[in-house]
Amino acid sequence: GESVGLHLPTLSVQEGDNSIINCAYSNSASDYFIWYKQESGKGPQFIIDIRSNMDKRQGQRVTVLLNKTVKHLSLQIAATQPGDSAVYFCAEILNSGYSTLTFGKGTMLLVSP
Amino acid sequence: ETGVTQTPRHLVMGMTNKKSLKCEQHLGHNAMYWYKQSAKKPLELMFVYSLEERVENNSVPSRFSPECPNSSHLFLHLHTLQPEDSALYLCASSQYSGYEQYFGPGTRLTVT
Repeated sequence: GESVGLHLPTLSVQEGDNSIINCAYSNSASDYFIWYKQESGKGPQFIIDIRSNMDKRQGQRVTVLLNKTVKHLSLQIAATQPGDSAVYFCAEILNSGYSTLTFGKGTMLLVSP
Repeated sequence: ETGVTQTPRHLVMGMTNKKSLKCEQHLGHNAMYWYKQSAKKPLELMFVYSLEERVENNSVPSRFSPECPNSSHLFLHLHTLQPEDSALYLCASSQYSGYEQYFGPGTRLTVT
């Protein structure tokens, strides 16, 4: 289930389960979205992206869903592994030329063996 | 080295010190960014350099001074910082007109 920790919402799952991480974005004009994964002691790493003209995009073990009506983004991770434990951020992009990312607060995913 | 590197990885400084953070990208990108990541807030964009010109400064106090001497290097000069400036400072780069940003590992800054 999902619970609010001291600083970040936390999702705790068992290894092998599917995980769903949710994100609400702020600007209906955003035209591009990215999910990042940040492990302890590291910078954010790109996972998957989606353009605003799409509803769904699949990668390896990950799927991103976009609902523009309610400004909601989700990241689904299939068969979650302990190595997936990290903080996950969604980011929306408003500008082209150079990209200005606006990050969400983040969700901590904890995977138990 | 590949990707985006940052030095130092950890820095402790007093409020009267002057120090600099360094970022180098080996990806051939031409836009670079400084972000601040603190425990209770989302990642905050501080500065954007595109084609070596500063294009964005998000109301950052003047005690933070960025410098971009060329498209591969970015510095953040720090002076007379406050304890609330303690945070992880992340550098990122992207291709002009590219959306995806590549992040460095960050510098963990503690101001005492």
